[in-house]
Amino acid sequence: QQQVKQSPQSLIVQKGGISIINCAYENTAFDYFPWYQQFPGKGPALLIAIRPDVSEKKEGRFTISFNKSAKQFSLHIMDSQPGDSATYFCAASSGNQFYFGTGTSLTVIP
Amino acid sequence: DVKVTQSSRYLVKRTGEKVFLECVQDMDHENMFWYRQDPGLGLRLIYFSYDVKMKEKGDIPEGYSVSREKKERFSLILESASTNQTSMYLCASTSTRGITEAFFGQGTRLTVV
Repeated sequence: QQQVKQSPQSLIVQKGGISIINCAYENTAFDYFPWYQQFPGKGPALLIAIRPDVSEKKEGRFTISFNKSAKQFSLHIMDSQPGDSATYFCAASSGNQFYFGTGTSLTVIP
Repeated sequence: DVKVTQSSRYLVKRTGEKVFLECVQDMDHENMFWYRQDPGLGLRLIYFSYDVKMKEKGDIPEGYSVSREKKERFSLILESASTNQTSMYLCASTSTRGITEAFFGQGTRLTVV
């Protein structure tokens, strides 16, 4: 079964808008929650990550919100730009294992 | 610049062929992983390795095997390629020391005809 559930599968946002991608997990042993960004023809690359002892982490236009009690976390992209158009994967990790969401294809329209 | 390098970007193989996908990392990482990526299914773990000559099955190991003879190299083997193994294959590595980040290769697009 899917350890990490991600939604939506695809997202279209106007330039300057806010993109929001949501993920949920069940296993409370997960202790690291990264988001990966993948451009066409490339492997995924780490975008931003959070540990469960904080509720929010911000890096530039990218913010992770983390709700430990609900076992949910989300990625917010502020002032979305066409260059942000990519596939985004959430993940959860415990020890050496990573479990990935199914991915969200983001398109930012100029 | 840290790197995970996969030997081929694109491969076309015939049904029944034995296929080798190679992955090399230059970061002295202990852990290496093979995933396949399919639309709507995300990244699914095939096999992983915590050390040289060690391997563990992931979620979808059927039809695949792996080899790790050296710390920096992790090979994925399709014993007898089938059309349902047409996919994007991604190799990744992580360290057990400090940083938890997974580093990915650029992927190998395999088509089995």
